[in-house]
Amino acid sequence: AQRVTQPEKLLSVFKGAPVELKCNYSYSGSPELFWYVQYSRQRLQLLLRHISRESIKGFTADLNKGETSFHLKKPFAQEEDSAMYYCALYTGNQFYFGTGTSLTVIP
Amino acid sequence: NAGVTQTPKFQVLKTGQSMTLQCAQDMNHNSMYWYRQDPGMGLRLIYYSASEGTTDKGEVPNGYNVSRLNKREFSLRLESAAPSQTSVYFCASTRRQGKTYEQYFGPGTRLTVT
Repeated sequence: AQRVTQPEKLLSVFKGAPVELKCNYSYSGSPELFWYVQYSRQRLQLLLRHISRESIKGFTADLNKGETSFHLKKPFAQEEDSAMYYCALYTGNQFYFGTGTSLTVIP
Repeated sequence: NAGVTQTPKFQVLKTGQSMTLQCAQDMNHNSMYWYRQDPGMGLRLIYYSASEGTTDKGEVPNGYNVSRLNKREFSLRLESAAPSQTSVYFCASTRRQGKTYEQYFGPGTRLTVT
């Protein structure tokens, strides 16, 4: 069965410190993985996708098929990064979301 | 483009009452989805519609029904609301972008069942 696991419900870091939000997945096919972000009182929006190998707002994520992981990283956290982050897996007809990690960046 | 719109934004129901949550998208997307968001549970798929005229159950369909009225609109109905259905409901639509997909979300409907 497909599954996305985000082990940290809450994560707090100081401004300027590195941040890593963990995501592991379980899927027998070729995975398409995404990170979505939800800022306070806003709708969910796409942050980045693994296939694009892009860096958005300083965030990057690398798909590691051997470890079945897609961790989100940023070298220097900013206060505006405080939000809820969801890892998602697309299987061809539907998305599976993790339970989310609430990131707080402390000034 | 308005993107994905949802009505109402807030709703309070009493146990046993019924209501329909409306969703519309103006991006000509084929696929549409309904999720519920609960603390500690993340987003869970209720129903989805891969194309006009088709609907399929997601992870948590019990207590809900859906209608894909046309390509633009996808409604979610609660026939007899229960307190366990207190949640934030998100509608989304998906488009293919090159080799991958992108999902667009509505602003959400906050439902409280007392």
